[in-house]
Amino acid sequence: QVQLVQSGSELKKPGASVKVSCKASGYTFTSYTMNWVRQAPGQGLEWMGWINTNTGNPTYAQGFTGRFVFSVDTSVSTAYLQIRSLTPEDTAIYYCARGINDILSWGQGTLVTVSS
Amino acid sequence: QLVLTQSPSASASLGASVKLTCTLSTGHTTYAIAWHQQQPEKGPRSFIKVNSDGSHYKWDGIPDRFSGSSSGAERYLTISSLQSEDEADYYCQTWGTGIQVFGGGTKLTVL
Repeated sequence: QVQLVQSGSELKKPGASVKVSCKASGYTFTSYTMNWVRQAPGQGLEWMGWINTNTGNPTYAQGFTGRFVFSVDTSVSTAYLQIRSLTPEDTAIYYCARGINDILSWGQGTLVTVSS
Repeated sequence: QLVLTQSPSASASLGASVKLTCTLSTGHTTYAIAWHQQQPEKGPRSFIKVNSDGSHYKWDGIPDRFSGSSSGAERYLTISSLQSEDEADYYCQTWGTGIQVFGGGTKLTVL
């Protein structure tokens, strides 16, 4: 069956970087766009952007340019989200989600906590 | 601007039915949407896609108690025979050229 398995929780200090992985299985990785979605504590879902898993071309939503980098490694069917220069406001659960239109499946989420 | 509007909260009694609403912004009233369920302390789960003509498609494993419908700019998720595990946040989601949008979510309480 289709699975998106994300890397584990991270605790980082302000100014550091973090890289979250999302390993896909059960389908052809390059056939579907991968989205990244943020959920801040107690808040709703916020689309961060997506990456074309076939070409590696990313699209970033407003508010997620500059410090955020999407990438893929098709050899291991894995998508990555890197966040640079972390601040406490980046504390959130980050989800990968498969689908170019309607989102078809979700990763389990990765909690990133930024605290000194 | 593509925007989805949801009521922040809804409630209904165990065994009853409830209809959640997601409203598309002006100029986007023919768009399809998808509903996602997020139970407490869990990640979202894809549920139902609802088209502008009211047809809907449910993902595997979604009980028959859940159905989708449409009227004008509004897209609905109806849950019948409410069960305690239906208590969750429900988000609608739509898409345009180069963009995805989520509604603010509706917190459903089962009384």
